[in-house]
Amino acid sequence: ETGVTQTPRHLVMGMTNKKSLKCEQHLGHNAMYWYKQSAKKPLELMFVYNFKEQTENNSVPSRFSPECPNSSHLFLHLHTLQPEDSALYLCASSQPADVGANVLTFGAGSRLTVL
Amino acid sequence: GEDVEQSLFLSVREGDSSVINCTYTDSSSTYLYWYKQEPGAGLQLLTYIFSNMDMKQDQRLTVLLNKKDKHLSLRIADTQTGDSAIYFCAERWDNQGGKLIFGQGTELSVKP
Repeated sequence: ETGVTQTPRHLVMGMTNKKSLKCEQHLGHNAMYWYKQSAKKPLELMFVYNFKEQTENNSVPSRFSPECPNSSHLFLHLHTLQPEDSALYLCASSQPADVGANVLTFGAGSRLTVL
Repeated sequence: GEDVEQSLFLSVREGDSSVINCTYTDSSSTYLYWYKQEPGAGLQLLTYIFSNMDMKQDQRLTVLLNKKDKHLSLRIADTQTGDSAIYFCAERWDNQGGKLIFGQGTELSVKP
């Protein structure tokens, strides 16, 4: 399978639940990203990993916990979320972020609804 | 401003040209991008322009860059109903590890 794959595509959870979003890429990229997309707002960069090391945490609340076990996989662990966290969570990958044009390849996203 | 800014909506008739505008924040950005998002999908790169260029053309797409005003535009010639989507402008922050900062997207609606 090629490209960036995100699972699940849709997730509904209560505020006390613990769930995880998964992202996988088979493009040979070494940088992976989590973005949050809310309606009519700019895409918000949440986390950046370069060669499995976290290089960016954009003041994201601790109820979001990323994990990058290797360059091909990225997780976003969710715990005690709030209704305002409902959004589309997009994963992306690229060659190392500080190299060249840094073209991102995005997954289709995980639509999260927090009740 | 601190945000990449785009207008939220644009409506055109099929066959007309569409122009989507963007104002970015960092005059030292070396690359600027246009991404397209169709319903139910992630963002897909349409084109990007290097900052030492002021125009780039790729088939029906023309990108214009005005560095002095930090203004980027995307022109789509002969717009088709299949061009209906959300278009995102993005800039590369070179002094922060090359991360991409996006606008809020412009929803293009093409009417037959």
